[in-house]
Amino acid sequence: QKEVEQNSGPLSVPEGAIASLNCTYSDRVSQSFFWYRQYSGKSPELIMSIYSNGDKEDGRFTAQLNKASQYVSLLIRDSQPSDSATYLCAVNGNNFNKFYFGSGTKLNVKP
Amino acid sequence: DVKVTQSSRYLVKRTGEKVFLECVQDMDHENMFWYRQDPGLGLRLIYFSYDVKMKEKGDIPEGYSVSREKKERFSLILESASTNQTSMYLCASSLPGAGGYTFGSGTRLTVV
Repeated sequence: QKEVEQNSGPLSVPEGAIASLNCTYSDRVSQSFFWYRQYSGKSPELIMSIYSNGDKEDGRFTAQLNKASQYVSLLIRDSQPSDSATYLCAVNGNNFNKFYFGSGTKLNVKP
Repeated sequence: DVKVTQSSRYLVKRTGEKVFLECVQDMDHENMFWYRQDPGLGLRLIYFSYDVKMKEKGDIPEGYSVSREKKERFSLILESASTNQTSMYLCASSLPGAGGYTFGSGTRLTVV
């Protein structure tokens, strides 16, 4: 069983819309959750972290965490074509320094 | 600008060769990691290290070894390269317990 699950997509949204990306995880002891953005041919870059239940906002990005349901999501408001990328969810395991990654959701924002 | 530097962007090696992938970080991070990334399989952890001369196996260590003689450098070694090790290799570093990896730019290795 995979530790972290994401829908591979592609998720297509029109420019200006809200993109919603979801991730579920299996380990109930996980405490740290991250979203990375990866452009084609590039390495992942960290865009959001969340540690507590609820919402965390940073500019156009909002991370949402629900530990009881074991899911974490990323909302991108006012989506731009430059947001087109693969978004990776990362969750720490019982070794808190070690993270498991989902296989990523590809987002296409159409002008 | 803080960063993680991987020595090669593209590499082509022959089956059976011993291959060294080098990674250097300038952030004084204790933790360093080697992942490989394959389509549909995501990032899979090969080895990681919490300190100099310390290493732990990740989820797919077979066919690989690592070396960490200095805090800033973490090397991945393919003892005898095989075609199924053709992949994108990503090095990352982080502070202890803080999460949030910084990744290198990656090495795309092709074994022929």
